[in-house]
Amino acid sequence: AAGVIQSPRHLIKEKRETATLKCYPIPRHDTVYWYQQGPGQDPQFLISFYEKMQSDKGSIPDRFSAQQFSDYHSELNMSSLELGDSALYFCASSPIAGVSYEQYFGPGTRLTVT
Amino acid sequence: AQSVTQPDIHITVSEGASLELRCNYSYGATPYLFWYVQSPGQGLQLLLKYFSGDTLVQGIKGFEAEFKRSQSSFNLRKPSVHWSDAAEYFCAVGANNQGGKLIFGQGTELSVKP
Repeated sequence: AAGVIQSPRHLIKEKRETATLKCYPIPRHDTVYWYQQGPGQDPQFLISFYEKMQSDKGSIPDRFSAQQFSDYHSELNMSSLELGDSALYFCASSPIAGVSYEQYFGPGTRLTVT
Repeated sequence: AQSVTQPDIHITVSEGASLELRCNYSYGATPYLFWYVQSPGQGLQLLLKYFSGDTLVQGIKGFEAEFKRSQSSFNLRKPSVHWSDAAEYFCAVGANNQGGKLIFGQGTELSVKP
């Protein structure tokens, strides 16, 4: 079965650089969630999209932005990177919007900021 | 606000022994509850979920969990642990009135002794 695809899997950036993370949801899933997992931490919700509109926003820094495109893939843009942004970034997709239906997680993008 | 507490940061069990991982939640309405498993450096895999109905739910890999409303708990159990079960386990509650995002507990790291 098709799963959530995230690219790249690993990314190394320097402080103050920008990064773009991509997420391709499972086919026919129209809701996408982004989570950030710091070392030894639990995943923290960043932002979600339903039908290309932002549906909820968590503790996402102003330096980050995200959008969902017409083909339902989503991109997380991160600017002015800081050391503290080093984390595993997960994307998850769900077939039902606005309801806590099960979310299917991608393998994550490990971002390292040096 | 919704929250999830996993009281045990690290648990070690012997292979073949039974397992119970604790999870307590705080949520005003009927919660949607999930257990996810994460192997080192990997994504999150859904083990099981509770939405409504039978309070004992069965999941993959021989896991089960019981929802106890009176105790605000959703403990994960397995009758006989295998070495391959060593991983990080996260309990999560779905915030239905907030776009469906998941709120995770701090996680319990499971080690399995031969």
